[in-house]
Amino acid sequence: DIQMTQSPSSVSASVGDRVTITCRSSQGISNWLAWYQQKPGKAPKLLIYAASSLQSGVPSRFSGSGSGTDFSLTISSLQPEDFATYYCQQGNLFPYTFGQGTKLEIK
Amino acid sequence: QITLKESGPTLVKPTQTLTLTCTFSGFSLSTRGVGVGWIRQPPGKALEWLALIYWDHDRRYSPSLRSRLTITMDTSKNQVVLTMTDMAPVDTATYYCAHRIPAPGTSFDSWGQGTLVTVSS
Repeated sequence: DIQMTQSPSSVSASVGDRVTITCRSSQGISNWLAWYQQKPGKAPKLLIYAASSLQSGVPSRFSGSGSGTDFSLTISSLQPEDFATYYCQQGNLFPYTFGQGTKLEIK
Repeated sequence: QITLKESGPTLVKPTQTLTLTCTFSGFSLSTRGVGVGWIRQPPGKALEWLALIYWDHDRRYSPSLRSRLTITMDTSKNQVVLTMTDMAPVDTATYYCAHRIPAPGTSFDSWGQGTLVTVSS
């Protein structure tokens, strides 16, 4: 199985900050990586697919980059509604695998 | 607008078989490239992909659970059904079904609300 490792596991930041979360795969996955946001008690929400494509309706302050094994999700200016847990997911090879999550907390 | 909703028991006993139904609207599982997947999340833990069924009835499973899982679809009812045998307390989780974007690579753009399944005697 492809292992997905996110860092950091948690991060504290303030409204207006720029935050970057990274995701590394144990083998190359081309650009078949997605990012999800999950709030407590809610289903995950797709933010980014194919590493850098912004899902319809997602604010442009979210952006994704990377290919191969190293990827990142950046939030350019944190808003109060962005405090949540973020997951990466590889969609290149079965079994599809998720990262362990990054919890973004208010400082 | 794509919607999905999971239904099934909230409590099952150890060794029993779990059957979950995903009822969806806003897309057809007959359309090339479309798929519906199941993902679960134990309380306080990360997401785990379980299974995926494609428009052409191709089915894929998590290798670690392959012997216990079956995924089927009924296009006339717009439903996908997941069965998991020999349930154990470690299978306690919220189970989600999700729509696969019909494009290269796999990501899930629409999710059901999830259903919490507790395994306990």
